[in-house]
Amino acid sequence: QVHLVQSGAEVKKPGASVKVSCKASGYTFNIYEMHWMRQAPGQRPEWMGWVNGGNGNTKYSQKFQDRVTITRDTSASTAYMELSSLRYEDTAVYYCARGRTAFGVVIADHWGQGTLVTVSS
Amino acid sequence: DIVMTQSPDSLTVSLGERATINCKSSQSVLYRSNNKNYLGWYQQKPGQPPKLLISWASTRESGVPDRFRGSGSGTDFTLTISSLQAEDVAVYYCQQYYSTPQTFGQGTKVEIK
Repeated sequence: QVHLVQSGAEVKKPGASVKVSCKASGYTFNIYEMHWMRQAPGQRPEWMGWVNGGNGNTKYSQKFQDRVTITRDTSASTAYMELSSLRYEDTAVYYCARGRTAFGVVIADHWGQGTLVTVSS
Repeated sequence: DIVMTQSPDSLTVSLGERATINCKSSQSVLYRSNNKNYLGWYQQKPGQPPKLLISWASTRESGVPDRFRGSGSGTDFTLTISSLQAEDVAVYYCQQYYSTPQTFGQGTKVEIK
């Protein structure tokens, strides 16, 4: 079955960067996309972007375009999300989610357990 | 960006009774060339990630009980839980994937009366 295991919680200072990993198993990594979403406490999920597991192409939300980098390592079946210039309001749980492509769009069908990123001085 | 608005914000229903959640998009998410609505429903239990229940507005994912039913088209959608069970206590989100950024509703919290 599909299994996405994310790296552990992080505490970062404002202005720093964070890199979260997501190791996939149970499916062929390079024929799916991998989304990254985040969810601040008590808020709705927010889509950040995705990476194509095969060719590494990316698509980002304009909101995060200047600060986020999503990459993947096919040999390790792992995707990464790096967010730079962290602000207090970036405190959230960050999720990876497998992207299933159908009819020209990418649906998030299986999610990782989440990684809490806390921005604190 | 497409804005997704759910109603109500919270819902208290007796065990075995029906729960109905509404979702409205700020523009149509119906793609006319294939007649598909680019709308999904997620269930999120406390401390867990969201789980995809329904895609294309009305197609249940594998393993999702048939008491969950999605309906609607264009800009107005509904998730119905026909007979609420204790394990259905959760927050439910609608999401559009018609255009990027993909966006979610604010969520509807379902509790047992």
